[in-house]
Amino acid sequence: NAGVTQTPKFQVLKTGQSMTLQCAQDMNHNSMYWYRQDPGMGLRLIYYSASEGTTDKGEVPNGYNVSRLNKREFSLRLESAAPSQTSVYFCASSVGTGAYEQYFGPGTRLTVT
Amino acid sequence: QKEVEQNSGPLSVPEGAIASLNCTYSDRVSQSFFWYRQYSGKSPELIMSIYSNGDKEDGRFTAQLNKASQYVSLLIRDSQPSDSATYLCAVIQGAQKLVFGQGTRLTINP
Repeated sequence: NAGVTQTPKFQVLKTGQSMTLQCAQDMNHNSMYWYRQDPGMGLRLIYYSASEGTTDKGEVPNGYNVSRLNKREFSLRLESAAPSQTSVYFCASSVGTGAYEQYFGPGTRLTVT
Repeated sequence: QKEVEQNSGPLSVPEGAIASLNCTYSDRVSQSFFWYRQYSGKSPELIMSIYSNGDKEDGRFTAQLNKASQYVSLLIRDSQPSDSATYLCAVIQGAQKLVFGQGTRLTINP
């Protein structure tokens, strides 16, 4: 039981390049989330998927797209990376939205130059 | 006013003492509250959840919730150097969204 896994762990992009961050969970959770964490800013929600087949914007969605591929997998895509997207990205999952604990993956450290 | 506020610290506590971490929130209808611990370079790890007014104890950790005053706190008894980490307060708002405070950096001095 690996919990929440993310790939890659580290990535360096040049401005304008695109990439997809992958996330998978094996806890049979319905809901999945993408956050970014910047120094002094705490965790901010980018997008979430309440259940398979649905996605919704969070606090900071601009510049990102997501795909809920199936119940296990939720990917985050940067179409044209910008230096402002340099951050640590965390994927999380929970049984459902609302009053359920969220469990986090190990994170992806992304640098855009 | 930020939705969830924490003192960023650093908070320095001697080993064996009680560490007290505080958090205030702005949404009066919030019902669910969580404390996460995050070691440097690692992901957040859930350590406590609390949903009702009062205290909830789990080992050396006690979460306290006061909905009337809109604050939630975390007490760590018999603090150990391994407790040195950033502690994130998180609040469910709008029935779906988990909003995090910026975290309090705690250092336990041997």
